[in-house]
Amino acid sequence: DVKVTQSSRYLVKRTGEKVFLECVQDMDHENMFWYRQDPGLGLRLIYFSYDVKMKEKGDIPEGYSVSREKKERFSLILESASTNQTSMYLCASSPGTDIAKNIQYFGAGTRLSVL
Amino acid sequence: GQNIDQPTEMTATEGAIVQINCTYQTSGFNGLFWYQQHAGEAPTFLSYNVLDGLEEKGRFSSFLSRSKGYSYLLLKELQMKDSASYLCAALDSNYQLIWGAGTKLIIKP
Repeated sequence: DVKVTQSSRYLVKRTGEKVFLECVQDMDHENMFWYRQDPGLGLRLIYFSYDVKMKEKGDIPEGYSVSREKKERFSLILESASTNQTSMYLCASSPGTDIAKNIQYFGAGTRLSVL
Repeated sequence: GQNIDQPTEMTATEGAIVQINCTYQTSGFNGLFWYQQHAGEAPTFLSYNVLDGLEEKGRFSSFLSRSKGYSYLLLKELQMKDSASYLCAALDSNYQLIWGAGTKLIIKP
């Protein structure tokens, strides 16, 4: 079974703090993604990566950055957390073999509250 | 713009059948995904359609009409464990997934 592990289920941070969200996958997938999930909205893509040291902006990258130093690990960084970044953050990975039927496998999510 | 529409919430009875609809408008189209997400858990893949027609997988079936920009997920013989949110997502011309907000399905005994 594919396993995508997010380091924290719940986080509470203060406004202005630098926040790191970690994601590790164990299936040697090329592609990794960070989404945020808010009530009444679809998943929104923040950043994605198709290879080590490679990153692409998604739909809502402002206020975020990412790091992919190793194939299995994709980190999301909130440089200076703000209250509007309070959300559920989901990490996903997918194999690069079939670009069309590219099933994404998700972690359980990190619920971040910024106070 | 790109858009996915699906009902916010549906209620059904244990043992019955329910159909969850999804309409999409995307720039290009490379397939339609359905995911299931139980409360507090990760979304998990249910189905993928790229050609018109019905794909059956056990109690779950998914249908696609490309000309109408329409899909549905059909759940038969509903069980209490099917209570979850069902997410529809379309793959656009850049192979990016466009997600709907999800349909919360409530199963009553």
